[in-house]
Order: sequence, then structure tokens, then C-alpha cells
Amino acid sequence: SQQGEEDPQALSIQEGENATMNCSYKTSINNLQWYRQNSGRGLVHLILIRSNEREKHSGRLRVTLDTSKKSSSLLITASRAADTASYFCATALNMFSGGYNKLIFGAGTRLAVHP
Amino acid sequence: NAGVTQTPKFQVLKTGQSMTLQCAQDMNHEYMSWYRQDPGMGLRLIHYSVGAGITDQGEVPNGYNVSRSTTEDFPLRLLSAAPSQTSVYFCASRITSPGAYEQYFGPGTRLTVT
Repeated sequence: SQQGEEDPQALSIQEGENATMNCSYKTSINNLQWYRQNSGRGLVHLILIRSNEREKHSGRLRVTLDTSKKSSSLLITASRAADTASYFCATALNMFSGGYNKLIFGAGTRLAVHP
Repeated sequence: NAGVTQTPKFQVLKTGQSMTLQCAQDMNHEYMSWYRQDPGMGLRLIHYSVGAGITDQGEVPNGYNVSRSTTEDFPLRLLSAAPSQTSVYFCASRITSPGAYEQYFGPGTRLTVT
């Protein structure tokens, strides 16, 4: 079964608005990553947050991690039409929960940003 | 650097046929992996390798074989294709230094099995 689950499955907003996507996972992790996938393309790494971190920023991206709730959120501020893509969270398991070599992906959130 | 390359981009197979999906990277990454992506399922790990000669199973390994004879290449073999293997396949790589978890993905291979 999937380790990570994103919510919502789809999100439609206007340019300039903020977009928030959530991810929940089941087992202990070493870190959690967010990736973006444009239609018909491969995935591109956006940001990584380690299990001992609570918040991280990168440009217009803000990621939070709550290990007690086994959840993370990705906030994209001041969204642009070019942000239209699918966003996936991926958890890197630690050595006690299946091996640190594995990166397990959720089903993704489809974000549509309208001009 | 070309990064992670995959061939072919598209492939149609008949049930029972065999084929090999090619993956190569020129970043000297020790870790390579194969995922399949199905609608509504996200990416699921098929097999992975932490270096030449070392491979292991992921979440959905049945029906697929891998080998890793060089650092650069990590081919995925379908011995007897089934319609359930219709999917988009992604290869990815990364270094294995502690704390380095960012994966680099190839453009994908879209496989249809009829």
C-alpha cells in the first residue's frame, strides 16, 4: 500500500492565490521530499525536509513536517500559471521501517493555476 | 551532462512478448531505481540498485527483472508482458552519500501491452 497520501487529489486556483497540499504517511521516516511533474514529463525534485526539521523554505515554497501526526504540507505562495503540475510527496524510510534506500511516493495532487 | 536517459519513449507490446527498457545516467550515481506510474496510484518502486552487482526488490517486483553490471546502466526486463504492465516507467538515480536523497528522474517510457 502507498506510504504517502496527498490531499486534495486536485486543486484549482487563480494566479496569485496560495496553494496548499497535504501529505500523510504511515511509518517512521528519515526525510520527506516533494516533487513536481509537468504533464508527460519526469519528476523534478523541489525540496527535502528531514525528520528533525519542522519547517523549510525555498523561494515561493514552504514545507512543514509534523512527525507526531505523520503529516507534511507544501505551500506555494503567489501561484503562477507555470506552477500547473502534479505534486508528489515522497518519504525516505529509515533503516527501522523498511530500509533507507527506498523512496515511497504518494498518489499526488493535481494543481491547476488559471490566469 | 545528459542526466538520466531512457529508451524507448514509447513501446507497444503484445501479451507474452519480452523487452528491455533501457536506463542510463552519466552522473556517476551509485543508486538507481525503477518506478511505474499508473493513474491515481502515484509512483510505485519496482526494483532498485545501490551499486554495480547489487539489486533489490521494491513494492511491485513481480514480472520484472533487473541487473546492474555497470554504474551507468540499469535495464529493466519484462520477460513475458501482460496487460497489467501497461504503465509509464520512470528510471531515477541519486548518490548514496549520507543525507543525499534527491533523486533525478528520466523522461519516462510509456508502455502499452495489448
